[in-house]
Amino acid sequence: EAGVVQSPRYKIIEKKQPVAFWCNPISGHNTLYWYLQNLGQGPELLIRYENEEAVDDSQLPKDRFSAERLKGVDSTLKIQPAELGDSAVYLCASSLRAGANTEAFFGQGTRLTVV
Amino acid sequence: DAKTTQPNSMESNEEEPVHLPCNHSTISGTDYIHWYRQLPSQGPEYVIHGLTSNVNNRMASLAIAEDRKSSTLILHRATLRDAAVYYCILRDQRNRDDKIIFGKGTRLHILP
Repeated sequence: EAGVVQSPRYKIIEKKQPVAFWCNPISGHNTLYWYLQNLGQGPELLIRYENEEAVDDSQLPKDRFSAERLKGVDSTLKIQPAELGDSAVYLCASSLRAGANTEAFFGQGTRLTVV
Repeated sequence: DAKTTQPNSMESNEEEPVHLPCNHSTISGTDYIHWYRQLPSQGPEYVIHGLTSNVNNRMASLAIAEDRKSSTLILHRATLRDAAVYYCILRDQRNRDDKIIFGKGTRLHILP
């Protein structure tokens, strides 16, 4: 079975340009997460979806970041405009359902470099 | 959220067992103990989780102290491929808004 698929794997853009990341979770997984990981740090949650509803977006910088999960399957995370400090790895994860007694499966991430 | 404390780094020899400690003195009775690991240039990977009893799976064992204030992830026979950052995470089953919160983890080095 395919795991969580993210694309692109790498992205280099100039500051002030827009960028989008795509995530295809494991089939049947209702919960989807987007995380940001800076070098040498643990991942930090940006947003969590239950089906198509964003149930926790408190850590998403809404002035420049947006996300959507149409039809409760694939998800897209967008940054517009990108800043130098947005350079990081963006990780997508999914789990079968919400709750503490479940495991999450992560994609390989998209490494963003803003120049 | 209840917090965990892990050593920044550890070393172990290849083909020997590894015991990775985690302290969680403020754990509540409804917190599950989860372990994830992250290999270089990869996303985090689920390893194991448990509530009160010790747990075993094909990857590792989780030993939970009787008072639940600490736990140990056991890799029975380390290989070079086990070199990674290991994260110990608490997740509260009462919390509908439960999220996976990563700390800095323990960087495990395996010596050949």
